Amino acid sequence: ILNVEQSPQSLHVQEGDSTNFTCSFPSSNFYALHWYRWETAKSPEALFVMTLNGDEKKKGRISATLNTKEGYSYLYIKGSQPEDSATYLCASRAWGNYGGATNKLIFGTGTLLAVQP
Amino acid sequence: SQTIHQWPATLVQPVGSPLSLECTVEGTSNPNLYWYRQAAGRGLQLLFYSVGIGQISSEVPQNLSASRPQDRQFILSSKKLLLSDSGFYLCAWSLTPNQPQHFGDGTRLSIL
Repeated sequence: ILNVEQSPQSLHVQEGDSTNFTCSFPSSNFYALHWYRWETAKSPEALFVMTLNGDEKKKGRISATLNTKEGYSYLYIKGSQPEDSATYLCASRAWGNYGGATNKLIFGTGTLLAVQP
Repeated sequence: SQTIHQWPATLVQPVGSPLSLECTVEGTSNPNLYWYRQAAGRGLQLLFYSVGIGQISSEVPQNLSASRPQDRQFILSSKKLLLSDSGFYLCAWSLTPNQPQHFGDGTRLSIL
């Protein structure tokens, strides 16, 4: 995988459903994986920054896992609420060529989540 | 607390006209600053980043330039806009590249 890919592109769930989506990223030279939530008419908001293989992070009803060896991260939302409706973006950061990590985040195109009451 | 201001929110410009988008950060010193563009149907693409005053790194060759005349001010410019410059532009800052980025509200630029 050369780019950061997210699936599905969009997702419609009912209030109370639990859901998850996937971020795939290049596993070679991996340094960090970011998750952001982007609500309509607002700016993207940081959810998690993850670096370690097997890491799991949690923020309220949202959690994320990371597999750096195979190059994927899952984002889980437990008991979805209408206010969870947003586009969820992941972004990968890699090691550079000169011993340090690059400053560049490569973003996926996002998963658009719509939670219906 | 830190805040980021980006303006204008929307802009309609004719082809060939100049561009200046401004971004300022308050409440922190020496932030890392970033300009992104989201073209229709695509992910956020990093255009420029800056780790300090006068230090600009360009990620993709394009019709745009960036400047950082003050510690917390980041400006995106063009001398002559192209149709392909249309898109949604976001400014962001972080304390270090290891930490999450904080985004402005964005500028929707339409080129006619």
